[in-house]
Amino acid sequence: GAVVSQHPSRVICKSGTSVKIECRSLDFQATTMFWYRQFPKQSLMLMATSNEGSKATYEQGVEKDKFLINHASLTLSTLTVTSAHPEDSSFYICSGRGSANQPQHFGDGTRLSIL
Amino acid sequence: ILNVEQSPQSLHVQEGDSTNFTCSFPSSNFYALHWYRWETAKSPEALFVMTLNGDEKKKGRISATLNTKEGYSYLYIKGSQPEDSATYLCAFFSGGSNYKLTFGKGTLLTVNP
Repeated sequence: GAVVSQHPSRVICKSGTSVKIECRSLDFQATTMFWYRQFPKQSLMLMATSNEGSKATYEQGVEKDKFLINHASLTLSTLTVTSAHPEDSSFYICSGRGSANQPQHFGDGTRLSIL
Repeated sequence: ILNVEQSPQSLHVQEGDSTNFTCSFPSSNFYALHWYRWETAKSPEALFVMTLNGDEKKKGRISATLNTKEGYSYLYIKGSQPEDSATYLCAFFSGGSNYKLTFGKGTLLTVNP
């Protein structure tokens, strides 16, 4: 099946640091990638939809200046959490989509802990 | 805001037991219902994408049914094995060019040997 590689898997850093998470589609072209966040015991919440070569579409309540998304190629999307604070600590996971009737292909996720 | 509910939240069964859990979703504007299996420290793995009312899909010992008129889907596991232990997620797609999925919180299944 399609593989999505997400790095890093775990980040622990100080408050104020900016953190970049990469998501690569290894064997398919992901024209659209999705970025989700999950808090403990909650569902995966979509943060933004990233389209190759254009600006990301952010969900309501997600600050676009805080969570910078870049999707410069068909195989790479990045999420940068700028000036991270403890409340940004969460599990972040990306996925690439096929077509409407096809499942999404997920990365392994990134556990972000801000001290 | 779309509401996708999964029950139960968690479930413990013995090896060999058969089990099932539920996903409920809005019955209007239905396009597709996805099921994923998410093992700890791995990425969610797609099980099924269901689109038609009355659909029934099967993958080994796991099967799923879909009722779009009443807004629910059941996932069944026959003869559970310890390796079936995982969180099972369902996700609802109501159409639209953004292909946005709305996820439930998942059902955490633990199969005891």
